[in-house]
Amino acid sequence: LAKTTQPISMDSYEGQEVNITCSHNNIATNDYITWYQQFPSQGPRFIIQGYKTKVTNEVASLFIPADRKSSTLSLPRVSLSDTAVYYCLVGDSSNTGKLIFGQGTTLQVKP
Amino acid sequence: DAGVTQSPTHLIKTRGQQVTLRCSPKSGHDTVSWYQQALGQGPQFIFQYYEEEERQRGNFPDRFSGHQFPNYSSELNVNALLLGDSALYLCASRFDQDSGNTIYFGEGSWLTVV
Repeated sequence: LAKTTQPISMDSYEGQEVNITCSHNNIATNDYITWYQQFPSQGPRFIIQGYKTKVTNEVASLFIPADRKSSTLSLPRVSLSDTAVYYCLVGDSSNTGKLIFGQGTTLQVKP
Repeated sequence: DAGVTQSPTHLIKTRGQQVTLRCSPKSGHDTVSWYQQALGQGPQFIFQYYEEEERQRGNFPDRFSGHQFPNYSSELNVNALLLGDSALYLCASRFDQDSGNTIYFGEGSWLTVV
């Protein structure tokens, strides 16, 4: 499973767009890129998943360059309730369930 | 449509005791994974069950064991509890034939070993 690297922490203010970049230099051909959000004392929650180019849903956008060695999670106009830990993971469906979590990025949104 | 449910939500055990945690997967899901999350760390994979068999296992000792029932629900058992076993234990489920990397987590069971 490919290892990921992301910033330990980020600060932002309400209403701003937040971009969290994740490096995954050893991503394999069949790997998907998935982001999870976790609030304190809760289980991680799926945010978005992509394979290449751009994916958008009602919560976030995921940008993946052509070489797929990195990805950027974009959260538009964050609010205080977006304060959480964000995890970037890569893997294919044969390893799904055996996800390797790093320490994630702790996003602190300030008023 | 209920999501992944876990019980109990909190429990306190004494060193050396045994504990059983329970998980019901999201409706339609047949694969269950268990994770341990210590304070300030990301979840660590314990094992995965599919078709009532342990399919994958992480780097955890044999004190950690599990079971999956015909209705896809699962149990995690930990024997000879150590203080270091204190953590949030997360259950996650998915449908085996789904593509991609998406699994759905429950809210977890907080275990404190004293």
